[in-house]
Amino acid sequence: DSGVTQTPKHLITATGQRVTLRCSPRSGDLSVYWYQQSLDQGLQFLIQYYNGEERAKGNILERFSAQQFPDLHSELNLSSLELGDSALYFCASSVAEAGFMNTEAFFGQGTRLTVV
Amino acid sequence: GQNIDQPTEMTATEGAIVQINCTYQTSGFNGLFWYQQHAGEAPTFLSYNVLDGLEEKGRFSSFLSRSKGYSYLLLKELQMKDSASYLCAVSLRGIYGGSQGNLIFGKGTKLSVKP
Repeated sequence: DSGVTQTPKHLITATGQRVTLRCSPRSGDLSVYWYQQSLDQGLQFLIQYYNGEERAKGNILERFSAQQFPDLHSELNLSSLELGDSALYFCASSVAEAGFMNTEAFFGQGTRLTVV
Repeated sequence: GQNIDQPTEMTATEGAIVQINCTYQTSGFNGLFWYQQHAGEAPTFLSYNVLDGLEEKGRFSSFLSRSKGYSYLLLKELQMKDSASYLCAVSLRGIYGGSQGNLIFGKGTKLSVKP
């Protein structure tokens, strides 16, 4: 158990809908990262938050957004869903703020999103 | 752009040694991570290299050559439970030094260990 909690574990929804994925980082970790993993693309970095502020953006679509709350949990919002958004969405957390040190990231178990 | 290459699949025998290679072309390289991922599960951290050379951790070792843009993960005394995907990931240099934080992953090498 990495200490990172993601809910829900599975989500099935229809095209055009909106969903929210939730992540609670490890106790003491201030950085939260979201990744998308599809069969053909591997793990793709979406976005990072540190202590409530956005720190880095990767290949995140405009239909997707995220935020980190004062209690450090994070939510990833996916809207106007398309079939191609079906994937595993992972949240990871680490201690450090970007740019200061290298620390390993601990991954949650992921949310498997299926868009039908 | 950033590019990370590793073989798609490998097969090895229980008890043997296997080496999984990773080459990368990135701007602003900071360090290289290896993660293990069983199908449908979360990636778990195996090793991290920032300087050239070999890092050993039990049955797992990882090597880095920054000048060649090359790393490998060495797994010894293979066990059936080592059947998994092995992900090579690069961290980039942040504007203040150190790591930018997020990781750029290769597509992973699926290792099958056979009896």
